[in-house]
Amino acid sequence: AQRVTQPEKLLSVFKGAPVELKCNYSYSGSPELFWYVQYSRQRLQLLLRHISRESIKGFTADLNKGETSFHLKKPFAQEEDSAMYYCALNAGGTSYGKLTFGQGTILTVHP
Amino acid sequence: GAVVSQHPSRVICKSGTSVKIECRSLDFQATTMFWYRQFPKQSLMLMATSNEGSKATYEQGVEKDKFLINHASLTLSTLTVTSAHPEDSSFYICSAPPLLGGKGNYGYTFGSGTRLTVV
Repeated sequence: AQRVTQPEKLLSVFKGAPVELKCNYSYSGSPELFWYVQYSRQRLQLLLRHISRESIKGFTADLNKGETSFHLKKPFAQEEDSAMYYCALNAGGTSYGKLTFGQGTILTVHP
Repeated sequence: GAVVSQHPSRVICKSGTSVKIECRSLDFQATTMFWYRQFPKQSLMLMATSNEGSKATYEQGVEKDKFLINHASLTLSTLTVTSAHPEDSSFYICSAPPLLGGKGNYGYTFGSGTRLTVV
């Protein structure tokens, strides 16, 4: 069975500092990984999908199959980045089955 | 982009009553809908998967008779919490999978959630 681990429940940084939210996964097949963000009182929104290799709101994430990681990075954090971030894995490939979520990391960016 | 509309956003009910939560795909047809439960500042736990035209698939430990899921049409999936108790109080979220393959930055679409409080 697949598993997603986000080791940090809370992460605090100051505005302008680099930030890295960690995500590790275990899955025997070829996973599809996502980062979702949930701002206060809002629904989950897609931030990144590993296959697209895009940078969204300054965030990037690279799939490292050797380390089974998909860490989310941003070189200069902004206060508006404060939110809950979830790493999620789809084991179904293009069948788009259920997502397995990590525990989530609450990011707080201080002024 | 794809939008999932979830209602109600908040509901308070008495113990023993039933509550229905609806999720509608507004501009696309969702043959599958995932139902999650989220505890405060915690992860999303998948409860069940609804499929249009067939029975829902429940995750281990989820009571089928308590959490009734119906996928009545290609645009509507419902979760009914029957005989609700205070321990059922939680945040319930629905989600539809992506429609397309390809490599664009699109993913699963989530409803805005329903805050259920059972008193």
